[in-house]
Amino acid sequence: EAGVTQFPSHSVIEKGQTVTLRCDPISGHDNLYWYRRVMGKEIKFLLHFVKESKQDESGMPNNRFLAERTGGTYSTLKVQPAELEDSGVYFCASSEFRGGDGYTFGSGTRLTVV
Amino acid sequence: EDQVTQSPEALRLQEGESSSLNCSYTVSGLRGLFWYRQDPGKGPEFLFTLYSAGEEKEKERLKATLTKKESFLHITAPKPEDSATYLCAALKSGGSYIPTFGRGTSLIVHP
Repeated sequence: EAGVTQFPSHSVIEKGQTVTLRCDPISGHDNLYWYRRVMGKEIKFLLHFVKESKQDESGMPNNRFLAERTGGTYSTLKVQPAELEDSGVYFCASSEFRGGDGYTFGSGTRLTVV
Repeated sequence: EDQVTQSPEALRLQEGESSSLNCSYTVSGLRGLFWYRQDPGKGPEFLFTLYSAGEEKEKERLKATLTKKESFLHITAPKPEDSATYLCAALKSGGSYIPTFGRGTSLIVHP
C-alpha cells in the first residue's frame, strides 16, 4: 500500500513569494489533515478535510493560507504571500476514520522563507 | 486549554540501559492517548493508542502505560535502532477529533 506522499520535500522561497505544497493521501482515506511544526515547538493542527469538504480549519493561522482538496483526492496548501514566520515543516496525514488512531503521516515539506 | 507536556526533552542511553519517557496531559475527558515514533526527515509513525487508565500496550522493546494524568513509554534494553523522537498526543472526547501533540522526547541510544 502506497503511503502518504508530499512534495516538494524542501522549498526555499523569499518573503512575499507564493508556495504550494501538495499531499497525496492513501487511496480511500476520506480524512486528510495538515499539520505544521515550527522549530522547537510541537506539531500544530492546521486543517482537516473529510473528502473534499473542510471539516475543521480552526488551526489555519491567517488568510494567507489556503487549502484545497480536489475531488476528495489530493490536497494542496498554498501560502501567499509567504512570511518569515511561515518557515517550518508541514506534514500531511490521512486516515480512514477520524481521530488520531491510525493516522499515516507523510514525510513532510520543509519550508524555509528567507 | 488542552496541554501535552513531554519529558525529558532529550535522553541519551547506552545500549541495554532501560528507561522511561513521560507524557503528562491536561485534557478534559480523554478519548485516547497516542504514541508516535519519528525518525529524522520522516513523518511520525503510529505506535500505540491507549484509551483508559490502567491500560498497557507492548511492541517489541516498547511498553506504553496510561494513568489519569500521564502516560509512560518504557523502553527495555534499547538498541541503537530505537533512536528517534517519540511523540505523544492526546485526543479529548467530543469536539473535533483533533489530537494535541507534545513536543517530543529525542532519544539517542549509543552502542
